[in-house]
Amino acid sequence: DAKTTQPNSMESNEEEPVHLPCNHSTISGTDYIHWYRQLPSQGPEYVIHGLTSNVNNRMASLAIAEDRKSSTLILHRATLRDAAVYYCILREADYKLSFGAGTTVTVRA
Amino acid sequence: EAGVAQSPRYKIIEKRQSVAFWCNPISGHATLYWYQQILGQGPKLLIQFQNNGVVDDSQLPKDRFSAERLKGVDSTLKIQPAKLEDSAVYLCASSPLGADTDTQYFGPGTRLTVL
Repeated sequence: DAKTTQPNSMESNEEEPVHLPCNHSTISGTDYIHWYRQLPSQGPEYVIHGLTSNVNNRMASLAIAEDRKSSTLILHRATLRDAAVYYCILREADYKLSFGAGTTVTVRA
Repeated sequence: EAGVAQSPRYKIIEKRQSVAFWCNPISGHATLYWYQQILGQGPKLLIQFQNNGVVDDSQLPKDRFSAERLKGVDSTLKIQPAKLEDSAVYLCASSPLGADTDTQYFGPGTRLTVL
């Protein structure tokens, strides 16, 4: 399984941006970078994914390094509802997702 | 659009008893997954179905766990007999078929406590 490295936890203030880093130095050319998040007592939910170019959607932005060995999930204005565990996952050719421990994001009011 | 449905939401059993979980995926989704999530860890894939066939069950403890997906729609996951270490949240997810539409949609999970 492809591996990612994320910080265990991050804190942010409400309405400030949050930058969540992810290292994936062993990524292969066909691996997609996926981000999911899991709110308390819920199943994970899809956030965003990308291959080479930066991506934006209504939830977040994904910035991918030129060498693809790292990426950053950006929450532009954190709200209390964004408090969750965020998972950075390399989706391999067989479409399976291998979840690590993720980053626990705490948002202070 | 209705999401992935799972039942029951909570289950408490004694060790060596049997238990079954049910999942109804999003309508039209060909692929269905069962994950096990132990407290403090990320979900771990147990089994993946495509329609009613098994794609991957390499992480399923087959001596006690079994799963089926009748008619390529609903699925059940069974544990018989349960052990203390099976205490976890069991998550079901589904996704459409196709390389560009492989987002997985998760249900709320079933929290199993084995005493």
